[in-house]
Amino acid sequence: SQWGEENLQALSIQEGEDVTMNCSYKTYTTVVQWYRQKSGKGPAQLILIRSNEREKRSGRLRATLDTSSQSSSLSITGTLATDTAVYFCATERGSALGRLHFGAGTQLIVIP
Amino acid sequence: EAAVTQSPRNKVTVTGGNVTLSCRQTNSHNYMYWYRQDTGHGLRLIHYSYGAGNLQIGDVPDGYKATRTTQEDFFLLLELASPSQTSLYFCASSDAGGAGAETLYFGSGTRLTVL
Repeated sequence: SQWGEENLQALSIQEGEDVTMNCSYKTYTTVVQWYRQKSGKGPAQLILIRSNEREKRSGRLRATLDTSSQSSSLSITGTLATDTAVYFCATERGSALGRLHFGAGTQLIVIP
Repeated sequence: EAAVTQSPRNKVTVTGGNVTLSCRQTNSHNYMYWYRQDTGHGLRLIHYSYGAGNLQIGDVPDGYKATRTTQEDFFLLLELASPSQTSLYFCASSDAGGAGAETLYFGSGTRLTVL
């Protein structure tokens, strides 16, 4: 899992496998965002899940949010080599806009 | 899709040097941000702005100044660069859809090396 100052996590899997990445957060949030960063690029938002949704799907992606345990997960089914990237979760920090806090990220390597 | 352009793409300077990183967004977003990214760490917020002339302090502001000259342009200034500021810098913009719910659109980054 990832949060704050934790070191970057790394996962290496074979193409076609499913994978789940976890994120724990310390402060109350009503929204968790997941971003993907490919090599040499800036992060790009994948999915945003709100506390009243618990689960959200987008194509091969599935995000969950459990506010009671302050955790979120991002699952990818049928991974492709092009899913190789660093995946970040981001949560709000207080009510001030612009205060997203990003986790340390999970490096996912999908081997073709 | 939101477009955020950063320049330069790479920059090398010496300790004590003066550096300006530039960012332009062309999507009429109110919010713009500067982050730094270091190996093994997530993105850390340096400064952000919600409009021309406005500046808000982020989590790691020491050694950095920023200026928002127009809605489109946001600059990060390192007036006395130090090796600890060697990093990958990202600019982002958002339409600020609500606390925590805004989507950030990032540029491709500027890699800064301070010798």
